Amino acid sequence: KAGVTQTPRYLIKTRGQQVTLSCSPISGHRSVSWYQQTPGQGLQFLFEYFSETQRNKGNFPGRFSGRQFSNSRSEMNVSTLELGDSALYLCASRRDGGGTNEKLFFGSGTQLSVL
Amino acid sequence: GDSVTQMEGPVTLSEEACLTINCTYTATGYPSLFWYVQYPGEGLQLLLKATKADDKGSNKGFEATYRKETTSFHLEKGSVQVSDSAVYFCALNDYGGSQGNLIFGKGTKLSVKP
Repeated sequence: KAGVTQTPRYLIKTRGQQVTLSCSPISGHRSVSWYQQTPGQGLQFLFEYFSETQRNKGNFPGRFSGRQFSNSRSEMNVSTLELGDSALYLCASRRDGGGTNEKLFFGSGTQLSVL
Repeated sequence: GDSVTQMEGPVTLSEEACLTINCTYTATGYPSLFWYVQYPGEGLQLLLKATKADDKGSNKGFEATYRKETTSFHLEKGSVQVSDSAVYFCALNDYGGSQGNLIFGKGTKLSVKP
């Protein structure tokens, strides 16, 4: 069974540009969460999607947005990139069958560098 | 708000040494607690978890006990190996939010020397 797949693995952009990152969850998983990982702030929750709806959001500006498709694949978009957006962006999926504390499965991440 | 504090790294140990990584938390409800591990170039993997007070999570020789009275969830291993070199994250999940929303500590980098 394939794991969580994130593309691209590495990305270099310049300030002011926008970027779209993609995440394919494990087959059968319906929930997708996104996290930003930086050396200074550590891991911070961005948002979670379930059944194409955002159901939870972290404390990030509106430049960060996401969506989920009917096949559970998810994309996140960052507009008007800033230097501080340089980070490893991690996607995680889970089955979300309603049980408590379902295990989250993480992808290897997309390393975004903003120059 | 909820938060997780874990000991600063890096931690450098010799093979077969004992490991303790401290983790304390602040939460308004009754969170579940987790330890995740991140090997170089990889995403996070769940190492162990505990869902209620006095539960002990264990996996691969690592263990941690949910201590409500001290709001702690310290990670321990009796004898570390070089292959344990990684970054370890303590995390909590508060039932007040979605199950997909984990609050992480800053991470502790462990290096084990042969």
